[in-house]
Amino acid sequence: EPEVTQTPSHQVTQMGQEVILRCVPISNHLYFYWYRQILGQKVEFLVSFYNNEISEKSEIFDDQFSVERPDGSNFTLKIRSTKLEDSAMYFCASSTDNYEQYFGPGTRLTVT
Amino acid sequence: KQEVTQIPAALSVPEGENLVLNCSFTDSAIYNLQWFRQDPGKGLTSLLLIQSSQREQTSGRLNASLDKSSGRSTLYIAASQPGDSATYLCAVPMDTGRRALTFGSGTRLQVQP
Repeated sequence: EPEVTQTPSHQVTQMGQEVILRCVPISNHLYFYWYRQILGQKVEFLVSFYNNEISEKSEIFDDQFSVERPDGSNFTLKIRSTKLEDSAMYFCASSTDNYEQYFGPGTRLTVT
Repeated sequence: KQEVTQIPAALSVPEGENLVLNCSFTDSAIYNLQWFRQDPGKGLTSLLLIQSSQREQTSGRLNASLDKSSGRSTLYIAASQPGDSATYLCAVPMDTGRRALTFGSGTRLQVQP
């Protein structure tokens, strides 16, 4: 069964460094999303992407964040200058027109 | 602003019991609701999507109902098994016309063998 994949599974970085989190959505899906979950908190929406542009973003998704679909399969989230409070589990998701979102296994980002 | 609440926060039951998890949302103008399962330290697995035009959706031992007018959904798990132990999350679109989901805090279920 097709699934969303994410790499790496765990990323440790120092404060102020740039990180890129990678995702491969399900191949026939059109909509792509990033969410995050800080330990012990709710899953929070960051951004959605459709037709090669951002379609929705939350207040969390500020100028430090960017997304890109560099080729036909990958979808990336870049954090330019990481802060301690960016430590979280980052989930990529994708969907077709029918709204059901399928999530990847997540990347645990630890900022030290 | 859409808010999602899940009750109870935690539930422990013996194997074989039928159980009901509750989800409520503040803005009833939703066009779908999705239930997920999350195992510790893992991603979210989609269990069921209910469209606003549906009242129920079934998958195996799972049955989800949706009552838009009262802002509620329930997830019914029949004949629970230890493998059902996980956190169950409910999510709805943040606003009309949006695909971005807002999540509840989840119900942490433990099924005792």
